[in-house]
Amino acid sequence: EAQVTQNPRYLITVTGKKLTVTCSQNMNHEYMSWYRQDPGLGLRQIYYSMNVEVTDKGDVPEGYKVSRKEKRNFPLILESPSPNQTSLYFCASSLSRGGNQPQHFGDGTRLSIL
Amino acid sequence: GDSVTQMEGPVTLSEEAFLTINCTYTATGYPSLFWYVQYPGEGLQLLLKATKADDKGSNKGFEATYRKETTSFHLEKGSVQVSDSAVYFCALSDRGNTPLVFGKGTRLSVIA
Repeated sequence: EAQVTQNPRYLITVTGKKLTVTCSQNMNHEYMSWYRQDPGLGLRQIYYSMNVEVTDKGDVPEGYKVSRKEKRNFPLILESPSPNQTSLYFCASSLSRGGNQPQHFGDGTRLSIL
Repeated sequence: GDSVTQMEGPVTLSEEAFLTINCTYTATGYPSLFWYVQYPGEGLQLLLKATKADDKGSNKGFEATYRKETTSFHLEKGSVQVSDSAVYFCALSDRGNTPLVFGKGTRLSVIA
């Protein structure tokens, strides 16, 4: 089954404690991205990757890191989480970035930073 | 830059009512237009799309027509069900190498 898998689904942690949210897709997609979803703000893109070893900033990259060492994986790293990063996070993938390619989303990771 | 504006929710309807969720866009080129749906506790999934003017996308009883003259892509369904309760996002992707631009989402609640 084609899917994007995120882990963990839920995490409560404390300020400053490094965390990683994993994302894996099994569709051989080149393009992957991370979004955060906040009430009243909709979806905002954090980082994206056009292919292996190619990553770039989205609209709200501050406080986040990503890596793309393999095509299927695109982890999101919070080196020193802060309460304003409490949010619902989604990983997505597609064949390519633009045009009429729909994105496939994971089920989300709800992060609470205390 | 490109942008998408959706009607604000929440929208509450009775079962079998007619649904319209308005979406208008601003884009410099000729974008592809999408509606995504997010059911409770899940990620977004593509509901329908249209890639050129006058195209009609349809799926699961939902329809939307790409109207270039009014820069709109309104979502409609003739008879909603409780299972349609979700958040609906309008989105666009311009030609070339640009990412999806999402609207802020409209929450729909359908009551029996």
